[in-house]
Amino acid sequence: EAGVVQSPRYKIIEKKQPVAFWCNPISGHNTLYWYLQNLGQGPELLIRYENEEAVDDSQLPKDRFSAERLKGVDSTLKIQPAELGDSAVYLCASSFRSGIDNEQFFGPGTRLTVL
Amino acid sequence: GNSVTQMEGPVTLSEEAFLTINCTYTATGYPSLFWYVQYPGEGLQLLLKATKADDKGSNKGFEATYRKETTSFHLEKGSVQVSDSAVYFCALSLNSGNTPLVFGKGTRLSVIA
Repeated sequence: EAGVVQSPRYKIIEKKQPVAFWCNPISGHNTLYWYLQNLGQGPELLIRYENEEAVDDSQLPKDRFSAERLKGVDSTLKIQPAELGDSAVYLCASSFRSGIDNEQFFGPGTRLTVL
Repeated sequence: GNSVTQMEGPVTLSEEAFLTINCTYTATGYPSLFWYVQYPGEGLQLLLKATKADDKGSNKGFEATYRKETTSFHLEKGSVQVSDSAVYFCALSLNSGNTPLVFGKGTRLSVIA
């Protein structure tokens, strides 16, 4: 069974440029998460989707970040414009549904470097 | 608020040594507790979990016991191997079911032969 797929694995851009990350969750998983992991820190939730609905986006900086999950499957996270402080690893995870008994499966992440 | 504090690394051990990585938590409710592991170049993987006090999670020789009285969930392994070299994250999730995982900062373990 394929795991969570993310692309690209690495991205280097200059500040003020836009960037987008793509995630393909495990087939059949209704819940999708985007986490931000800064260097030396644990992941922090940016947004959680139940199917195509964003049910928790309280930590998403909406002035520059946006996300979508069309048709409740793949998801895209966008930053426009990127700032130096956005350099981090962006993790996508999925689970069958929300709840403590539903294990979250993580992708390998996209490492973003903003110059 | 909810938070997780785990011992800072890096931790370097010789093969077959005993491992302890300390983890304590603060939670407004009654959490479930997790250990995740991140091997080099790979995504986070659930290592073990415990959902109520005194539960012991175990997997691949690793164990952790949910201690409510000390708000702790320390990770232990009796004999580490080189292949255990990774970053280990302690995390919690409140039992309401709709709250996200809250992670500690991670502890890097290096096991040398």
